[in-house]
Amino acid sequence: DAGVIQSPRHEVTEMGQEVTLRCKPISGHNSLFWYRQTMMRGLELLIYFNNNVPIDDSGMPEDRFSAKMPNASFSTLKIQPSEPRDSAVYFCASSPGTRGLGHNEQFFGPGTRLTVL
Amino acid sequence: SQKIEQNSEALNIQEGKTATLTCNYTNYSPAYLQWYRQDPGRGPVFLLLIRENEKEKRKERLKVTFDTTLKQSLFHITASQPADSATYLCAGSSNTGKLIFGQGTTLQVKP
Repeated sequence: DAGVIQSPRHEVTEMGQEVTLRCKPISGHNSLFWYRQTMMRGLELLIYFNNNVPIDDSGMPEDRFSAKMPNASFSTLKIQPSEPRDSAVYFCASSPGTRGLGHNEQFFGPGTRLTVL
Repeated sequence: SQKIEQNSEALNIQEGKTATLTCNYTNYSPAYLQWYRQDPGRGPVFLLLIRENEKEKRKERLKVTFDTTLKQSLFHITASQPADSATYLCAGSSNTGKLIFGQGTTLQVKP
C-alpha cells in the first residue's frame, strides 16, 4: 500500500488566496484526521471523520477553514481566505477503526507545508 | 482543558544507555496512550499503544508504562542507538478516537 497520500507537498500563497489541501487515506481505513503542526502549538487536531461523516470539528480555528470527505478515498481541507498565521505543516492521517475508535494507531501522510505570505 | 504534557527540553544521552521519556496528562482520563516517533520533515509514525488497564507494554527495545494514579506514562528505549534520535510524541485517546498530542520530546543519542 502507498500509505496516506497528501498533495501538494509544499504550497506558497499570498494572503487572501484560497488554499485547498488534499488527502487520500489508506484503502479500507474508515477514520480520517486532519492535523496542523507548528513549533508554538505542536500537533493539533482540526477535524476528524468516521465513515465519511464529520465527528468532531471543534479544533477548526474559524470559519475560514472547512473540510469535506465526499467519499472513502478522498478528503479536502480548504482555507479561504488564507492568512500568514495559517502557515504550518498540515497532516492527514487515517486509521482502520477495526477495534473501536480509540484503540487504533493512526497512519500519517508526509504533510503539506503551507506558507502564506 | 484536556492536556498532554511532555518535557520540552531535549534529552541527550550516550549510545547504549536507556532513554526515558515522560508524558503526563491532566484534566481527563484517556482510555489509551499512544507513542509516535517523528523525524524532521516527516509525519509521525506509530510505535506503541497501551490501555489504561495495562501497566506495561514492550516491543523489542521499547517499553511503555501507564500509571493512572500518577497520570503518567513513561517511554523507555533500552540500548539506545544514534538511529533512535528523533522527536517522540505521546498522545492520549478516548473511545471516540480523538487523539490529543503532547508537544514532543527530542531525543539525541550520541555515539
